[in-house]
Amino acid sequence: AQSVTQLDSHVSVSEGTPVLLRCNYSSSYSPSLFWYVQHPNKGLQLLLKYTSAATLVKGINGFEAEFKKSETSFHLTKPSAHMSDAAEYFCVVSEGGTSGTYKYIFGTGTRLKVLA
Amino acid sequence: DARVTQTPRDKVTEMGQEVTMRCQPILGHNTVFWYRQTMMQGLELLAYFRNRAPLDDSGMPKDRFSAEMPDATLATLKIQPSEPRDSAVYFCASGLVYGGLNTGELFFGEGSRLTVL
Repeated sequence: AQSVTQLDSHVSVSEGTPVLLRCNYSSSYSPSLFWYVQHPNKGLQLLLKYTSAATLVKGINGFEAEFKKSETSFHLTKPSAHMSDAAEYFCVVSEGGTSGTYKYIFGTGTRLKVLA
Repeated sequence: DARVTQTPRDKVTEMGQEVTMRCQPILGHNTVFWYRQTMMQGLELLAYFRNRAPLDDSGMPKDRFSAEMPDATLATLKIQPSEPRDSAVYFCASGLVYGGLNTGELFFGEGSRLTVL
């Protein structure tokens, strides 16, 4: 069974410093992995996705994530935080099931706070 | 700019009333998901459709919730009767699966915020 664990419910960083949001997953098969961002009162927006191509994935707004199979991790990073990065971030795992079904399992979210 | 459209954006109703939320998926997408988001439970999958057929609604309380896709451009989520514990933000998302391949990305609407008094 697939599952996602986001290791930190809240992360605070100063503007201009690196961001690290941690995600570990469990999956029986080769998973697809995603990071989504949700700004207040908005829907979720895709930041980046891993679908068994390059293990280092670059996304929008300077974010990237590295798929590490041996560690079952998919941590999200950004070299320099911006005030506009303050939001909630969700790590998501998806794998195919029978009859071509797919489920997306969301982590509990990490709220990123950026301090001026 | 293709997007998932949800209506209403905000709904306040009284306990016992029927509530219907609507979703227009992105044209050409063949999968639709309904999620509910609360502070306590986070994002919960309620129902999942592919090619308008329900594939999984195990996360949905069957006694009061129902989800349908009358056609490819409309998905509905109905609560009857509504209860205060149904207060949440309900998200619809659409995506594309073809030939057994999942293109991966889910596109989310902006959500319907439901308050049941």
